[in-house]
Amino acid sequence: GIQVEQSPPDLILQEGANSTLRCNFSDSVNNLQWFHQNPWGQLINLFYIPSGTKQNGRLSATTVATERYSLLYISSSQTTDSGVYFCAVENNFNKFYFGSGTKLNVKP
Amino acid sequence: DADVTQTPRNRITKTGKRIMLECSQTKGHDRMYWYRQDPGLGLRLIYYSFDVKDINKGEISDGYSVSRQAQAKFSLSLESAIPNQTALYFCATSDWREGELFFGEGSRLTVL
Repeated sequence: GIQVEQSPPDLILQEGANSTLRCNFSDSVNNLQWFHQNPWGQLINLFYIPSGTKQNGRLSATTVATERYSLLYISSSQTTDSGVYFCAVENNFNKFYFGSGTKLNVKP
Repeated sequence: DADVTQTPRNRITKTGKRIMLECSQTKGHDRMYWYRQDPGLGLRLIYYSFDVKDINKGEISDGYSVSRQAQAKFSLSLESAIPNQTALYFCATSDWREGELFFGEGSRLTVL
């Protein structure tokens, strides 16, 4: 299967700071998604971004498929941004592979 | 109401008991998945189904079985639960045309 590596594994920010999370993957992919797992365990869809750049409020994501990485940008972080951010990629056989996540803690 | 509904949301059981986790969806998606999440780790695929007559093993299918009763329903069974199956279980769906994955709210299972 495809190896998915996320960095950093842990991140502590002061409220209002910006951050960049990275997702590297080992093979070509059909799709890539970013999820936020909140402290209650729910997985929230952030971006469906096989290539290019998308923005949604304070969050944006960029995927460079030819170089096998994706970046998630969080600007002006808020305490509600805390949780774990997962990257997932889909291979040619419609199977999804997840990274181990980046655990973000935003302090007030 | 949630588009992807899992029941039960929490369950505590004993070693050796049979457990069924159920998933139903109103999104009209053809593809359904069961994932397991252990603390500090990502999600691992247990089983997946691309339509009612299609069932496939994932990375960690040993000790689990599934049933796709209808396009909208996909259940996961633990025939004889063991403590290392204690985990958070997620059902997910996707559409073959769009590919985006959508998750249920999770079922937290504890096996004593």
